[in-house]
This record gives sequence, structure tokens and C-alpha cells, in this order.
Amino acid sequence: AQKVTQAQTEISVVEKEDVTLDCVYETRDTTYYLFWYKQPPSGELVFLIRRNSFDEQNEISGRYSWNFQKSTSSFNFTITASQVVDSAVYFCALRSLVTGANNLFFGTGTRLTVIP
Amino acid sequence: DTEVTQTPKHLVMGMTNKKSLKCEQHMGHRAMYWYKQKAKKPPELMFVYSYEKLSINESVPSRFSPECPNSSLLNLHLHALQPEDSALYLCASSQRQGINQPQHFGDGTRLSIL
Repeated sequence: AQKVTQAQTEISVVEKEDVTLDCVYETRDTTYYLFWYKQPPSGELVFLIRRNSFDEQNEISGRYSWNFQKSTSSFNFTITASQVVDSAVYFCALRSLVTGANNLFFGTGTRLTVIP
Repeated sequence: DTEVTQTPKHLVMGMTNKKSLKCEQHMGHRAMYWYKQKAKKPPELMFVYSYEKLSINESVPSRFSPECPNSSLLNLHLHALQPEDSALYLCASSQRQGINQPQHFGDGTRLSIL
């Protein structure tokens, strides 16, 4: 079965704090891709990162970093020195040959509020 | 600004109306998607077009009718909708229909059915 779990429904942090958003996935496929998307109040989903199942290298992009660990089936997202503009709903998503190339299987999202 | 443009941004319609949602992208992407998103829920896939042909229909009721007139445009025709169809409708595109392809989303159309 395909499943993406984002256990944190809502998180609030004070500006400049670091915050980690958790994502745990399940798939029986060996070839899959994981994605993170940001959805600000305006509605559009903004693509942040893609990671394939064969590449466990962590990635850093500015204040954003991602920790992919196959051993724990996790793909966590850390924002360093959070800013008010980071307030949004963040979705982790999975796409694999089992779900089909058509289906981007989303977690339920984590709503992040950064308080000034 | 997103590279996928959706119009209108907001739409209010009665249950007997006929309306259309429009989506446009000029990134040369050959796969386009419609998603429905209810409040506080993740997006749910409705339709996928690949090279202007309907590839996937996720058991969507016939009151939703997609159309892909060319590689840049995707429409969603609405007729006789129900109040439970009120949601944010998101269009997305990707270069191809492959599992490694990131999808790029528009701002969405917020639809309210009276």
C-alpha cells in the first residue's frame, strides 16, 4: 500500500526558530520519488524538492534542508531561521510505479505558522 | 507569479449553471492535470492529459468534463454541480507523465456552488 504520513497537523514557531516537518512514507515499490510542496494562503502549490529512492544524499537550499533516510522511510524537511513568509501548508508527496505515473500521492499536510 | 495560469480565480455558480475553468501553460509541458482540493485536505487527482489525450479519469462524475484543445490549454467544463463540489480546483503540468516529473501548479480556482 502507498501511504504518506505527516503526523504534525499544525506547528507554530516564533520567527528565527528552526523547525522540522516530518514525513514518513510507505511503498512496496523500489523505484519511487518523493516531493515537498508549499501551499501559501493564496492557494498555489509550489514545488520545493524532488528526491529519488536511489539518492539518499541530503540536500540544502538556502534556509531549507531535507533529510532522506530509507532505513526509517522518512523524508523530513527543516527550515532554519524561520520567517513569517514561511507560513503555509507543507505537503509531502510520493510517486511510484505502483501508484502509477499519474498519481502524486499527498500526505495530509502540515500547517506551519511563523509568529513574528 | 506561477507559470501555470488559471482563470477565473473565484467562481460562484448555481446548480443549474454551466461554466468552464481554464488553465494555460507555456512551458512546453505535455502532461496536464486537474486536482480538486477541499478545505484542510490534500489535493485529489481528477484527470490527467498526456499529449492532449485523456490518460486518466479518476472516477470523476460526468458533471465534470475536461477538454484539452491544444498542448497549452486545459479546460474543465462544469454542469449541474452539487454543493459538495465547492472546492479549490488546481491545474498542474509537467514535462511528461513520468514518476520523476515534478508538477507545477497554478493558483487554483475557488469554486462555490450555491
